[in-house]
Amino acid sequence: ILNVEQSPQSLHVQEGDSTNFTCSFPSSNFYALHWYRWETAKSPEALFVMTLNGDEKKKGRISATLNTKEGYSYLYIKGSQPEDSATYLCAFMAYNQGGKLIFGQGTELSVKP
Amino acid sequence: GAGVSQSPSNKVTEKGKDVELRCDPISGHTALYWYRQSLGQGLEFLIYFQGNSAPDKSGLPSDRFSAERTGGSVSTLTIQRTQQEDSAVYLCASSFLSGGENNEQFFGPGTRLTVL
Repeated sequence: ILNVEQSPQSLHVQEGDSTNFTCSFPSSNFYALHWYRWETAKSPEALFVMTLNGDEKKKGRISATLNTKEGYSYLYIKGSQPEDSATYLCAFMAYNQGGKLIFGQGTELSVKP
Repeated sequence: GAGVSQSPSNKVTEKGKDVELRCDPISGHTALYWYRQSLGQGLEFLIYFQGNSAPDKSGLPSDRFSAERTGGSVSTLTIQRTQQEDSAVYLCASSFLSGGENNEQFFGPGTRLTVL
């Protein structure tokens, strides 16, 4: 059974704080790691798709790193804003499993003004 | 262009009834996926279609669940003899191809199914 774990489960920060979340996944049979952002009443939206060990990706104030050998990825948000409030999901894609994503439970971020 | 669309947005049904959920993927996307999120749970993979290949049904929880994709486009997820544990948000997603760095999945708004 493939297990994807995310921590923390929830996070409450003040506007302007920087924060980070962890996603751990199986280190064997790795193909890709996806990060999605899911706001209430909206569809999940892709942030990053990462495939290479050591890769770092950035989109505005959000960035992510990937370590496939030890099976973890970090998502960082610099200077959190209230509009960053959402559930952040990571999903693991194994090699030779087509496009099937195995999702973690998500980290629910709440940013207070 | 239009994103992934799903219908209905909400469905309330009685235990034992059959339901059909529809997904219209983004035009040109060859891969289509169904997931569900039950209360308090993460997103759970159900089934995946890639072009004309046989679908990956490994996530379907029971033989009451089935899905088809007609003409490589629209997909219907059918749940027969619904049970209360089938209550969940059912999400559909599509992508150009399966896997790969650029093949993010684009999600629809979901169908919230409530089985009374």
